[in-house]
Amino acid sequence: DGGITQSPKYLFRKEGQNVTLSCEQNLNHDAMYWYRQDPGQGLRLIYYSQIVNDFQKGDIAEGYSVSREKKESFPLTVTSAQKNPTAFYLCASTQGPTVEPQHFGDGTRLSIL
Amino acid sequence: AQKITQTQPGMFVQEKEAVTLDCTYDTSDQSYGLFWYKQPSSGEMIFLIYQGSYDEQNATEGRYSLNFQKARKSANLVISASQLGDSAMYFCAMRGDFGNEKLTFGTGTRLTIIP
Repeated sequence: DGGITQSPKYLFRKEGQNVTLSCEQNLNHDAMYWYRQDPGQGLRLIYYSQIVNDFQKGDIAEGYSVSREKKESFPLTVTSAQKNPTAFYLCASTQGPTVEPQHFGDGTRLSIL
Repeated sequence: AQKITQTQPGMFVQEKEAVTLDCTYDTSDQSYGLFWYKQPSSGEMIFLIYQGSYDEQNATEGRYSLNFQKARKSANLVISASQLGDSAMYFCAMRGDFGNEKLTFGTGTRLTIIP
């Protein structure tokens, strides 16, 4: 079955540590996205990539970094510069025209130790 | 800039009744898409229904329909014959025209179905 796999499901970060969240899709989608969701809130866009080796900042990119070396993979690194990283992180992908909905992974919950 | 407004933080509805979840939007794009997603307590985002800005008919998907009023910039979700499994967060989202394909989400409505 085609879909988006996010790992790990739960992640804990120590002070001053960088952590990387994995997102892999086998839907052959060109565009991939990372969102952050805080409790009781909507999703906010962190970074997105519409093609391999290219990505753009979203609305809340500070303290995060991404790479897009392969079409199927779009890992997100939460750096030590992100002072409030505790949140639910969702990865999504889509293909082409506006009519296509974004497909989402099951998310990663990141907490501070 | 695009903006989505959902003014109902929470709603309680009796099982088997119909429910309308409100969504208004703002955009300067001529062509855009409107989406509704359901998020159960487990966290995954489930796509429910889509409406294109040039679609003349309201979208329907099973028990879900979208009441699209372009002049009023509203895209309300209607769930008919609600079920206990409909209890979840519901998000309205918009995607803009070519070159502006980012999804902008509203803050969501928490729907609780009462037996």
